[in-house]
Amino acid sequence: GQSLEQPSEVTAVEGAIVQINCTYQTSGFYGLSWYQQHDGGAPTFLSYNALDGLEETGRFSSFLSRSDSYGYLLLQELQMKDSASYFCAYTGRRALTFGSGTRLQVQP
Amino acid sequence: KAGVTQTPRYLIKTRGQQVTLSCSPISGHRSVSWYQQTPGQGLQFLFEYFSETQRNKGNFPGRFSGRQFSNSRSEMNVSTLELGDSALYLCASSLGRATNEKLFFGSGTQLSVL
Repeated sequence: GQSLEQPSEVTAVEGAIVQINCTYQTSGFYGLSWYQQHDGGAPTFLSYNALDGLEETGRFSSFLSRSDSYGYLLLQELQMKDSASYFCAYTGRRALTFGSGTRLQVQP
Repeated sequence: KAGVTQTPRYLIKTRGQQVTLSCSPISGHRSVSWYQQTPGQGLQFLFEYFSETQRNKGNFPGRFSGRQFSNSRSEMNVSTLELGDSALYLCASSLGRATNEKLFFGSGTQLSVL
């Protein structure tokens, strides 16, 4: 079948580094995306990985290993405003398929 | 450039009624997708439209339907509403249908079915 798994909740302190893992199972995989959603807000695009390796965008980095069907989002120098839900999503033969999301709580 | 606009923002209906939600994509975007979001369930794909044609459909019953107009605006309709249809319905637009397309989401329509 097709599915993604990510932790439901992660807690970290301000200034720290946190990694949100995502494993997927699908046939016909093109790439893995990450989206951020604040409470009451719209999901916003963070990153996209089509090839194995690390993509860095400021404090956020995303990694993909196609052979392991695994990816992660790395957030560095955590800020209070990073408290949000983070969704991994893969692009397959059909439309973008999202995981259930990881709620990140950043504590002072 | 204006973002994705969804109307209405909130909607309260009763079981058995039908509802129509509207989505105006970013100017120039031709692809519109709809997602249902419920607590703990993530975003469940409903359907995707491109150039007025439905390109993909998720695993939802036939009570859920949609369409896209020539100006790329899209509507989705849910008939014979059930309590379980209470959710946030999100619309997203993108320029095209490339595999690395970035989706731009609207703020959603919060539907409550009583």
